[in-house]
Amino acid sequence: EDKVVQSPLSLVVHEGDTVTLNCSYEVTNFRSLLWYKQEKKAPTFLFMLTSSGIEKKSGRLSSILDKKELSSILNITATQTGDSAIYLCAVYPMRGSQGNLIFGKGTKLSVKP
Amino acid sequence: DTAVSQTPKYLVTQMGNDKSIKCEQNLGHDTMYWYKQDSKKFLKIMFSYNNKELIINETVPNRFSPKSPDKAHLNLHINSLELGDSAVYFCASSQSSSTDTQYFGPGTRLTVL
Repeated sequence: EDKVVQSPLSLVVHEGDTVTLNCSYEVTNFRSLLWYKQEKKAPTFLFMLTSSGIEKKSGRLSSILDKKELSSILNITATQTGDSAIYLCAVYPMRGSQGNLIFGKGTKLSVKP
Repeated sequence: DTAVSQTPKYLVTQMGNDKSIKCEQNLGHDTMYWYKQDSKKFLKIMFSYNNKELIINETVPNRFSPKSPDKAHLNLHINSLELGDSAVYFCASSQSSSTDTQYFGPGTRLTVL
């Protein structure tokens, strides 16, 4: 059965800290991995990763995929209280010609002032 | 301009009732989805439509029936509501049906009393 596992499930840090969130997956015919940030409402897209070893960066956030280890990490440097959210990892497996996102349970990040 | 919109945002109803949630996207995407997020924040695919045709139907009770009048709309009708249907339902869309980034609507919080 396809699955996506995120760790830790929750994390509390102080402003200015650097955090690393982990995502590992077991899926049939991996196509891509996506990271989302969910605050109070809808998940908002952060990154899509398809190639191993290529870092994607957006401001203080960055992410990289390791297909050999079947995993990805999301790094946040110099954290701010506005980074507090649930970070979701999702993977596209391919079944036939179609795929649907399989989500992990998320990592709840709390950044204290 | 809202990219993916859902109505209503909140829905409180009694067990046994029938209700609908509407979703519209103005991104010109071909594929739309319905997800259910339970109280533990686990996000799970329910249905996927590509150009008005059903392409994914996960294990969902047949009390749930999606309807896509055109590719910009995907509505979710739920018959004989049960307590366990209480959740947040998210609509999403993507350019095509495989590997593309999915953009989420704001969610509809359904509470069944």
